[in-house]
Amino acid sequence: QSVVTQESSFSVSPGGTVTLTCGLSYGSVSAAYYPSWYQQIPGQAPRTLIYSTYSRSSGVPDRFSGSIIGNKAALTITGAQSEDESHYYCMLYMGGGTWVFGGGTKVTVL
Amino acid sequence: EVQLVESGGGLVQPGGSLRLSCSASGFTFSHYTFNWVRQAPGKGLEWISSINSGSDSILYADSVKGRFTISRDNAKDSVYLQLHSLTVEDTAIYYCARKGLQLWFDYWGQGALVTVSS
Repeated sequence: QSVVTQESSFSVSPGGTVTLTCGLSYGSVSAAYYPSWYQQIPGQAPRTLIYSTYSRSSGVPDRFSGSIIGNKAALTITGAQSEDESHYYCMLYMGGGTWVFGGGTKVTVL
Repeated sequence: EVQLVESGGGLVQPGGSLRLSCSASGFTFSHYTFNWVRQAPGKGLEWISSINSGSDSILYADSVKGRFTISRDNAKDSVYLQLHSLTVEDTAIYYCARKGLQLWFDYWGQGALVTVSS
């Protein structure tokens, strides 16, 4: 089990909004962990969505946004589309040049 | 266009060894830190190793420390991962990922499948 926690799954209606979270089993996530988010469609390599909490990677639609909500990092999809059905992973920088991924959240759009 | 292409995956017996390569193009390779990330079948992503531009900062996850060795050749625009003492738990797709200018991975290869089985 990863120390970085994510919901296992979420369902969202087309056009709806969903917020995924990324926490730490032993504390709070802040911008100092440089949270980043990656989308992975089954059978494909990960695609970078969000870095340094809020910044969108080049070419990523603006319906994807990152934030800190409470003591967790968050990825919000506003106006979900069918092509957003995927797995989403957060990654935290743990210091000393090391990173840890969360277990991933499977998002279903239906 | 930035491209990362992994090669060298395959079937290996438990206890065996394998060397993965990641060939880069479309940018100045020697300026960047590279990472290896793996994904076991049906599981999530696991960061396993990184190497900085000068090869003087090399890090490993505990799960592979002492068994895997990362290296790079800036003249060949390539990064490598030598895998030793493989177990069935090392069966995974191994991805090469470039660390961006900040603390994130901005580009990923398509991955190389390593299957450890007798």
